[in-house]
Amino acid sequence: GEDVEQSLFLSVREGDSSVINCTYTDSSSTYLYWYKQEPGAGLQLLTYIFSNMDMKQDQRLTVLLNKKDKHLSLRIADTQTGDSAIYFCAGELGANSKLTFGKGITLSVRP
Amino acid sequence: DTAVSQTPKYLVTQMGNDKSIKCEQNLGHDTMYWYKQDSKKFLKIMFSYNNKELIINETVPNRFSPKSPDKAHLNLHINSLELGDSAVYFCASSRQYGVTDTQYFGPGTRLTVL
Repeated sequence: GEDVEQSLFLSVREGDSSVINCTYTDSSSTYLYWYKQEPGAGLQLLTYIFSNMDMKQDQRLTVLLNKKDKHLSLRIADTQTGDSAIYFCAGELGANSKLTFGKGITLSVRP
Repeated sequence: DTAVSQTPKYLVTQMGNDKSIKCEQNLGHDTMYWYKQDSKKFLKIMFSYNNKELIINETVPNRFSPKSPDKAHLNLHINSLELGDSAVYFCASSRQYGVTDTQYFGPGTRLTVL
């Protein structure tokens, strides 16, 4: 299977919270990342978490890391229409520390 | 100022042609990367250069040849373009290689091969 897995689509109402999930197979990553890709644009680093942390909060973003289950999640509080984008989780996997991306989840925020 | 820039943003060309995509970073980083994003948005690393030396080459056809004239530039030359090469190509850079470091991405180059 894939090294990093994500579900494909999430639709939420404006103002609600969004939770985007990711699972990974290789636990050797030192950092795990969340990237955002708006339509027709490049990848923007949103936040990252060090592998010895369980949680990191950054304004409206909360990252949770469950190392036992190899599960990473991104919670976006008070989701706005500008949050509509594709979100990728990524980890550094393998001997060369290659950045390996999940397939991405499309977040759609409806008014 | 753009940290990681790529040119061109869009590239439309015929099968069999040779084309180049350029990447420049002004962050003073040592390591640069090329990624390919396919039509299903799946991102995969192609190459990594550290201090102008090739570090990662991920089973990419040898029609793809990266060239790093200096630490700030990593260009991607593609020979004999094929339909399957159509994708968005992203350049990225990070401060160092071998040390976990955040990668910063360029805006991407959308290549369409007709």
